[in-house]
Amino acid sequence: AQKITQTQPGMFVQEKEAVTLDCTYDTSDQSYGLFWYKQPSSGEMIFLIYQGSYDEQNATEGRYSLNFQKARKSANLVISASQLGDSAMYFCAMRDYSGRGGGNKLTFGTGTQLKVEL
Amino acid sequence: DTGVSQNPRHKITKRGQNVTFRCDPISEHNRLYWYRQTLGQGPEFLTYFQNEAQLEKSRLLSDRFSAERPKGSFSTLEIQRTEQGDSAMYLCASSPNWLDTQYFGPGTRLTVL
Repeated sequence: AQKITQTQPGMFVQEKEAVTLDCTYDTSDQSYGLFWYKQPSSGEMIFLIYQGSYDEQNATEGRYSLNFQKARKSANLVISASQLGDSAMYFCAMRDYSGRGGGNKLTFGTGTQLKVEL
Repeated sequence: DTGVSQNPRHKITKRGQNVTFRCDPISEHNRLYWYRQTLGQGPEFLTYFQNEAQLEKSRLLSDRFSAERPKGSFSTLEIQRTEQGDSAMYLCASSPNWLDTQYFGPGTRLTVL
């Protein structure tokens, strides 16, 4: 079974600073995918970034980058130049290929609440 | 291009009543997923569809839950004889195909009194 662990219930960062949100995972699969989603107080899950297990380069999307360390089974999200609008809950998730039809269901961690301060 | 939409956004019901939620995926997305999120937790998988076929159901989906996607477009999630433990956010997501990124709707927040 897959498992995602996010050990930081809450994080504070000052505006314009960079912040790293931690995510470790556990899986016996050789091929897997890792995602980060942002959930503002409105409730919608917003896709941020994806990393495939065979991708040699760390994924980047604008101010978001994923620090992927396969041997350590970690997939930390780095947000550069934090903005007030970045205040939200952030979830790390792993794609599960098992099941009929090849799966693609996601297993989520418990999330990290990020607060950006002036 | 509109995103995933869900209705209603909020639902308050009394224990024992039936409720139905609707999800409209992004146009031409073949896969549709339902998740449940309780307070302080990440979303948990409930079920998913490939077009109109329901391919997998989680153990979380008791006999009181049923989901349909009759024409491979919108989907409904019905909960019969609601219990207080059903209070949660119900999230719908869709993806174009098998390995594509899932895009989520705004969710339906259910409160069972």
